[in-house]
Amino acid sequence: QKEVEQDPGPLSVPEGAIVSLNCTYSNSAFQYFMWYRQYSRKGPELLMYTYSSGNKEDGRFTAQVDKSSKYISLFIRDSQPSDSATYLCAMASGTYKYIFGTGTRLKVLA
Amino acid sequence: GAVVSQHPSRVICKSGTSVKIECRSLDFQATTMFWYRQFPKQSLMLMATSNEGSKATYEQGVEKDKFLINHASLTLSTLTVTSAHPEDSSFYICSARDRPANYGYTFGSGTRLTVV
Repeated sequence: QKEVEQDPGPLSVPEGAIVSLNCTYSNSAFQYFMWYRQYSRKGPELLMYTYSSGNKEDGRFTAQVDKSSKYISLFIRDSQPSDSATYLCAMASGTYKYIFGTGTRLKVLA
Repeated sequence: GAVVSQHPSRVICKSGTSVKIECRSLDFQATTMFWYRQFPKQSLMLMATSNEGSKATYEQGVEKDKFLINHASLTLSTLTVTSAHPEDSSFYICSARDRPANYGYTFGSGTRLTVV
């Protein structure tokens, strides 16, 4: 079993839809949870960074962490074609080492 | 915000030659930088952790003699792929954090290496 599981997609949604992206994990030591957006042939760009459980909102993006279920989510409201990218979740315990999900490919259709 | 510059963005080299990739933190000092490798449609795999002024820490299964890492200053880390082979063709990405307590690492734009 992988430490971090993420559905690779692709996920296609119409413009304006609410997008829900998710990751599950098995290591209860993870405390830091990140979401990155990666466009084709580019490096990942940090979208959200959360410590421990709870919600965090930034503009159209909301990150949720449920440590009891070992489940994290990223919601994108009013999705735009420019949101089409691969979304990677990443997690870390108290060390520097990230464990990445495989990424979910999102397509927002105009 | 923190910016990490990676160069070159794309390189093609012949088998047996060496290639150097640079990773620079432009507006902050990074005592630690990380090197990742990403295969198509796969996740990022940590190759090594680069520490300024000391030897890099390599992940299990990564050949330290093949992937030479040098972190000579607080703003520059380099990855040299030595005696490159076609199987080394991949997307290499570096990252750094601008503060020790910050887990939101900043990534470079990546280097696409093709070995022919």
